[in-house]
Amino acid sequence: SAVISQKPSRDICQRGTSLTIQCQVDSQVTMMFWYRQQPGQSLTLIATANQGSEATYESGFVIDKFPISRPNLTFSTLTVSNMSPEDSSIYLCSVPTRMDTQYFGPGTRLTVL
Amino acid sequence: RKEVEQDPGPFNVPEGATVAFNCTYSNSASQSFFWYRQDCRKEPKLLMSVYSSGNEDGRFTAQLNRASQYISLLIRDSKLSDSATYLCVVNTGGFKTIFGAGTRLFVKA
Repeated sequence: SAVISQKPSRDICQRGTSLTIQCQVDSQVTMMFWYRQQPGQSLTLIATANQGSEATYESGFVIDKFPISRPNLTFSTLTVSNMSPEDSSIYLCSVPTRMDTQYFGPGTRLTVL
Repeated sequence: RKEVEQDPGPFNVPEGATVAFNCTYSNSASQSFFWYRQDCRKEPKLLMSVYSSGNEDGRFTAQLNRASQYISLLIRDSKLSDSATYLCVVNTGGFKTIFGAGTRLFVKA
């Protein structure tokens, strides 16, 4: 199994500011995923972060709002830009296993005032 | 229609009860199926995979009916520690994974 850490674990931010979330994996992985889980909702995939190429965004998510970096095979960042209260959510990174399942990081709980 | 639908609950059951969760999915080409468990304020974790032949792990039994596009999870002899949200998860190919909104379970002493 993979061990995944995220920073920060939580933050409270003012609207209009940006927050960068870090995801660190203890092993090299080709793909990393970023999800959002809004209050009372399930997980929604934001984008897939691939090392050496641009992230692939899902419908409804754009690079200007959620820029992603993937500088190496163990690390990725997600930035939530120009935040509004609607961005209040839990943001999780995950990595796939060989059996179509995923390991998730502990999540970053974001509150935007 | 949502791609993966679950009864949101909550299910409130006493210890020792048997409880069943249902899930339906819309994409008939879906390839693999799972139940994840998410504790309050924690990340989701894989509970078990779901196969057409059925899959049992201790007190937990998962079943898949491809014809009806229906997945179930049965928990026998419920424990307090089973209290969590159970997510029905469907993989539609590659790493395209759809999560249900989850069913909340509260097991009471």
